Amino acid sequence: ETGVTQSPTHLIKTRGQQVTLRCSSQSGHNTVSWYQQALGQGPQFIFQYYREEENGRGNFPPRFSGLQFPNYSSELNVNALELDDSALYLCASSPRPGGFTGELFFGEGSRLTVL
Amino acid sequence: QQQVKQSPQSLIVQKGGISIINCAYENTAFDYFPWYQQFPGKGPALLIAIRPDVSEKKEGRFTISFNKSAKQFSLHIMDSQPGDSATYFCAASRGTSYDKVIFGPGTSLSVIP
Repeated sequence: ETGVTQSPTHLIKTRGQQVTLRCSSQSGHNTVSWYQQALGQGPQFIFQYYREEENGRGNFPPRFSGLQFPNYSSELNVNALELDDSALYLCASSPRPGGFTGELFFGEGSRLTVL
Repeated sequence: QQQVKQSPQSLIVQKGGISIINCAYENTAFDYFPWYQQFPGKGPALLIAIRPDVSEKKEGRFTISFNKSAKQFSLHIMDSQPGDSATYFCAASRGTSYDKVIFGPGTSLSVIP
């Protein structure tokens, strides 16, 4: 069974640029959630995708957007990067729509640094 | 608005001691309360979870105590080991709708020999 994989693991961008982060869900999981984890903080929910549609969104501006593909993999896109976007971005998959059990399977994250 | 509060922020325990982390929530609609463990450079991993219809759940050295009336729950780690050194997050979610999991701010646990 393949776990959740994310790419890239680390990246550096400058303010105003755009970034795309990728996630492959665990085998058999059809729901993907994205979280932002600032240094020393708990993960903050960005949004969730189920059946290729956004299925819940946290308190993040529209410049945070996402996609889910037919194979359940997902992308997180962030436009007009700001310094405060520097964080670890975590992807989590679950075998059914998230929130039902709270059981999420996380990848190791993509560490984004915005200069 | 922080919906899940957690304390302490950091904790140092001697090997063999008991580690206790406390959490409180505000939204009475929450009905699932997991704890996640995160090691440096890794994503969080589910450790143990409880639903509010029970007051305690034990798995090995890890025990969750739940007080529904006080809207509080806690994690006890018995016989703490250096390998338990990690960041622990309490969390909450609603099982009746497709919803997000709300995490607490985390507790950094260090178990010293």
